[in-house]
Amino acid sequence: DAGVTQSPTHLIKTRGQQVTLRCSPKSGHDTVSWYQQALGQGPQFIFQYYEEEERQRGNFPDRFSGHQFPNYSSELNVNALLLGDSALYLCASSSPGQGGNVLTFGAGSRLTVL
Amino acid sequence: GEDVEQSLFLSVREGDSSVINCTYTDSSSTYLYWYKQEPGAGLQLLTYIFSNMDMKQDQRLTVLLNKKDKHLSLRIADTQTGDSAIYFCAEIGKGSTLGRLYFGRGTQLTVWP
Repeated sequence: DAGVTQSPTHLIKTRGQQVTLRCSPKSGHDTVSWYQQALGQGPQFIFQYYEEEERQRGNFPDRFSGHQFPNYSSELNVNALLLGDSALYLCASSSPGQGGNVLTFGAGSRLTVL
Repeated sequence: GEDVEQSLFLSVREGDSSVINCTYTDSSSTYLYWYKQEPGAGLQLLTYIFSNMDMKQDQRLTVLLNKKDKHLSLRIADTQTGDSAIYFCAEIGKGSTLGRLYFGRGTQLTVWP
């Protein structure tokens, strides 16, 4: 049973560029949450998707946007990249109907902005 | 917003017990979690406790919850070198949906042989 898969694992961008990160949730999960983890910090909640809609959003600017597809997979898009966007981006999946209090995290996508 | 505090570093000798402490702010938190992160990896759920419990034990792991002091601890018995990692405490904040967790900065546990 595959867990949460994320791609790409590493990528390097320059300031001002745009990036798309992808996530496939664990089998049976329908809710996807995205977190940003800066170096030396704990993960910070970006937003959550359920039924293809953004359900809740953390304190992140509109440059951060997302999407959820009918198969529950999700994308995180970041526009106009800043140096401060360099971080590990973690995707987590869950299911309200299956112990929704438990999040399963992927290994993350490490973004470096030069 | 919610504020979860942890000490940043803990060093123990192999075979000893480790105790990692955490304080949180939201007294209405329903679930509290411990996650483990190894270098270059994502987060692995170790255990969680529901707020109506005082203690939960799972093999070498014991979680203690003191709701009055908003204090959570994770005890690892017979700590091994493979337990070296960063440990995060997290809570679901007030009014948050499931899936929105507030994390501490993490405690770097180093286990010496």
